[in-house]
Amino acid sequence: GAGVSQSPSNKVTEKGKDVELRCDPISGHTALYWYRQSLGQGLEFLIYFQGNSAPDKSGLPSDRFSAERTGGSVSTLTIQRTQQEDSAVYLCASSLAAGIGRNTEAFFGQGTRLTVV
Amino acid sequence: KQEVTQIPAALSVPEGENLVLNCSFTDSAIYNLQWFRQDPGKGLTSLLLIQSSQREQTSGRLNASLDKSSGRSTLYIAASQPGDSATYLCAVNTGNQFYFGTGTSLTVIP
Repeated sequence: GAGVSQSPSNKVTEKGKDVELRCDPISGHTALYWYRQSLGQGLEFLIYFQGNSAPDKSGLPSDRFSAERTGGSVSTLTIQRTQQEDSAVYLCASSLAAGIGRNTEAFFGQGTRLTVV
Repeated sequence: KQEVTQIPAALSVPEGENLVLNCSFTDSAIYNLQWFRQDPGKGLTSLLLIQSSQREQTSGRLNASLDKSSGRSTLYIAASQPGDSATYLCAVNTGNQFYFGTGTSLTVIP
């Protein structure tokens, strides 16, 4: 596709339910990032995938959060047993490459707005 | 840990003015710095990317500078327009993540 695509654009779920958020990066981009933006807050790093390397999960806030990237392309962020504090906009970004001196310009999707009621 | 600060937090200017947004970061070991804009309820739109070896980048009315040794970047917007109203974010890339500032909310008054 022309840009990073995220689905769904909006998700309302009941507390305690599991949710899956999807990210389709730009074709050919090897680096993929997930961020979270809570109301009135800055962007919080969640997880980073680079090619076939082990992901950097250092930003995941709890073990209820997990993410995978299949075939080096599509990524799914899963939140289990959702809580009200999980309500936020979840943003995905991809870049062509990673590393100093390389083209690491990141392109973001429009985000998924998650509301836990 | 890398910390990114943006000043001012909010800025309101009349249409046609030139303006400067500031970004500072605490650790100069960065791969690059990227400026984004975010419109309400939307994702981030990339404006300019400056590699760590570069001093500035220009795109149309936008010019971004980078002084890595002092941990500073500026975004200069020439001849501002109402359509420039948005939140502007800077982000430094340290390899496996981007560290974002909290943004400058810009309003350009017609």
